[in-house]
Amino acid sequence: AQSVTQLDSQVPVFEEAPVELRCNYSSSVSVYLFWYVQYPNQGLQLLLKYLSGSTLVESINGFEAEFNKSQTSFHLRKPSVHISDTAEYFCAVSLVTNAGKSTFGDGTTLTVKP
Amino acid sequence: KAGVTQTPRYLIKTRGQQVTLSCSPISGHRSVSWYQQTPGQGLQFLFEYFSETQRNKGNFPGRFSGRQFSNSRSEMNVSTLELGDSALYLCASSPGGSIQYFGAGTRLSVL
Repeated sequence: AQSVTQLDSQVPVFEEAPVELRCNYSSSVSVYLFWYVQYPNQGLQLLLKYLSGSTLVESINGFEAEFNKSQTSFHLRKPSVHISDTAEYFCAVSLVTNAGKSTFGDGTTLTVKP
Repeated sequence: KAGVTQTPRYLIKTRGQQVTLSCSPISGHRSVSWYQQTPGQGLQFLFEYFSETQRNKGNFPGRFSGRQFSNSRSEMNVSTLELGDSALYLCASSPGGSIQYFGAGTRLSVL
């Protein structure tokens, strides 16, 4: 069975500073990897995904993540954060052969301070 | 294209009652998955339906059940509600491949 570990439960950072949210996964077979963002009282919004191909994936709002198969990691980075990036971020994994069932990490609360 | 629609958004029930939650997927999506989100357990997979058939099932008791209709809309039912069933229930739809799109959720409070 696959599992996901988000290494930091809370990450405080000042506005315009860089940030990295760490995610490790465990699986014996090929996986898809995702980052979702959740704002208070809302559902999950897909931030970015790794399905295949280039190991570096980017979102339209400046986030990027790199799939590292040897280290089984999929860390999320942003070079300069904004107040509006304050939210909870979830890393998720699903099996390529069973993509309808995702396993989520416990989430990382990113708090951007002015 | 309209997104995933979950109704109702909020629900208050008492212990022992039953509840039905509804999810309308994105048009053309045939897969619907349900998740439970709680502060203590995080996001946990309940089940997935694809073309009216349950394709995956998580580790929840039989009180949790679901179904999918021919138009891909899905319902989730919880019978004999317990206090611990209080949660945000999220529905996600997918065209059947790799990417899931989530609704805003139904927040269930059990008193």
